[in-house]
Amino acid sequence: LAKTTQPISMDSYEGQEVNITCSHNNIATNDYITWYQQFPSQGPRFIIQGYKTKVTNEVASLFIPADRKSSTLSLPRVSLSDTAVYYCLVGDIAGGYQKVTFGTGTKLQVIP
Amino acid sequence: GAVVSQHPSRVICKSGTSVKIECRSLDFQATTMFWYRQFPKQSLMLMATSNEGSKATYEQGVEKDKFLINHASLTLSTLTVTSAHPEDSSFYICSARGGNQETQYFGPGTRLLVL
Repeated sequence: LAKTTQPISMDSYEGQEVNITCSHNNIATNDYITWYQQFPSQGPRFIIQGYKTKVTNEVASLFIPADRKSSTLSLPRVSLSDTAVYYCLVGDIAGGYQKVTFGTGTKLQVIP
Repeated sequence: GAVVSQHPSRVICKSGTSVKIECRSLDFQATTMFWYRQFPKQSLMLMATSNEGSKATYEQGVEKDKFLINHASLTLSTLTVTSAHPEDSSFYICSARGGNQETQYFGPGTRLLVL
């Protein structure tokens, strides 16, 4: 299982773009990268998923370099409601799902 | 789409009793469901993986006789905490993945407090 490393915490002012980077040096060929958001006392919420290059949806962008040993979640113009813990997960999801292990996550604090 | 529900959302029980938590995939068939436990200010810890119609696979250190998992249908998995003790108090979260879905979707969690 690919282990992930993220910063423990980050602070950002409202309206700024936030980039959270995750390292996954031993990512396997079949592994995808998935990011989740978790608020206190709630289950994690899917944000975005990708395999390589760049993926964008209505809430975030995911940048994955060619070697796939890291990935960056980009949140545009954060608001106070984006204060949460963000988890980067790496796992084989094709052809028979393999379990993934949650890392420590990054606690993002958005400041007014 | 991809909604997962859990019931109950919160439960308080006496030590020694058993508690059942249900996890349902509401708009897709979940071939695989996962059960996690999360203690305060900690990350999620995978307890077990269950596939519909087969026995669950438990993570190292998780007692299968204490945490009974049943995945009897493609939309329902249950976790029963047997003879619960105060140290079992935690936030239990399930997730589900369907056959064609490339990710897992999480339920809202169940807060268990054992007195």
